[in-house]
Amino acid sequence: DQQVKQNSPSLSVQEGRISILNCDYTNSMFDYFLWYKKYPAEGPTFLISISSIKDKNEDGRFTVFLNKSAKHLSLHIVPSQPGDSAVYFCAASAGGTYKYIFGTGTRLKVLA
Amino acid sequence: GAGVSQSPSNKVTEKGKDVELRCDPISGHTALYWYRQSLGQGLEFLIYFQGNSAPDKSGLPSDRFSAERTGGSVSTLTIQRTQQEDSAVYLCASVFGEGSPLHFGNGTRLTVT
Repeated sequence: DQQVKQNSPSLSVQEGRISILNCDYTNSMFDYFLWYKKYPAEGPTFLISISSIKDKNEDGRFTVFLNKSAKHLSLHIVPSQPGDSAVYFCAASAGGTYKYIFGTGTRLKVLA
Repeated sequence: GAGVSQSPSNKVTEKGKDVELRCDPISGHTALYWYRQSLGQGLEFLIYFQGNSAPDKSGLPSDRFSAERTGGSVSTLTIQRTQQEDSAVYLCASVFGEGSPLHFGNGTRLTVT
């Protein structure tokens, strides 16, 4: 039972353009969502999060959008840079719990 | 450094042998997690420790897997009688409190031959 799904295993984007990474979830109890970036041979690093009381959170070039009715969140990277090439994971947790459920990841390649 | 530290970074073992993986969390973080990432898969939850509470072991795939956390700090994940399907990157993470992001170590890549 995959509660957090990233249906695109890979994405290629031209440098300077927008990268949009998508994530869907099934558990309506999830109320905290995170995006992580992972380079090869390194652990995932935290990028940005959003609480369910918001529908948008922005940090520099990274913006996360949450659509609760659709159980969908997305990460926008603008402008995309070659250094953004990595695997991106979305994760979710339900309030009062501690278990973070991760998606399977999307490999982003930003072409110079 | 101030990050989560894992050792060894790589481990190759023969099928049937036992292995121990170590995690040193960030000082002051209250909770510690183990995840694993098999080839082409996402991050699979294994076990969670929070303070003095009983650990949540619901993600451990079999009774060959066990973990302990001594003194509320360092954790060891033990895999007994390793199998080839245990080959994966084992990631440890710690967190300051509920609703905070996880901070991951660089993982231990386990290869069972």
